[in-house]
Amino acid sequence: GAVVSQHPSWVICKSGTSVKIECRSLDFQATTMFWYRQFPKQSLMLMATSNEGSKATYEQGVEKDKFLINHASLTLSTLTVTSAHPEDSSFYICSASTGSYSPLHFGNGTRLTVT
Amino acid sequence: DAKTTQPTSMDCAEGRAANLPCNHSTISGNEYVYWYRQIHSQGPQYIIHGLKNNETNEMASLIITEDRKSSTLILPHATLRDTAVYYCIVRGANTNAGKSTFGDGTTLTVKP
Repeated sequence: GAVVSQHPSWVICKSGTSVKIECRSLDFQATTMFWYRQFPKQSLMLMATSNEGSKATYEQGVEKDKFLINHASLTLSTLTVTSAHPEDSSFYICSASTGSYSPLHFGNGTRLTVT
Repeated sequence: DAKTTQPTSMDCAEGRAANLPCNHSTISGNEYVYWYRQIHSQGPQYIIHGLKNNETNEMASLIITEDRKSSTLILPHATLRDTAVYYCIVRGANTNAGKSTFGDGTTLTVKP
């Protein structure tokens, strides 16, 4: 149980374009989902907390107008990287939890390459 | 949340038990210990968690010391596919789960 699916697995886009990444909880409802970014040889860095039916909460230093998050249902959150630039190239990962003490369950990540 | 300390890297022979330590000396009474691993180019995978009793599941065993200041993740029969970065995280119920600090973890290399 507690499966999180992330799509696409990898995407290449041109500089200036936007890319949407989907994160779905397949067998549970997630009122909260989390988005991370991971650069090579570094640990996960939380970007934002996605809340169903309300605005996302962004971590310090993360531009909310650049990384648009929508959590329109209890099973789907999307991250849109707007006007992507090469420095946005990274590994983006989402996760969700089923409760207060429940562990995090992660998607398999999306490798974004901006050319 | 309490801070955790893990060795940077460890090696293990295939088929042998891998014992990964974690120190969390400032853990408080309502904080759980969680273990995750991340295989290269994949999202992290949840392994096991516990409060104070030892826990076992199909993947691993978690041994927590009586004073809860440290724990050990045990992979009983390591395979090459267990090569990954292993993260030990401490978290309480009142903490935003996503704010769990992953740190650098332990890079486990299982060798043939």
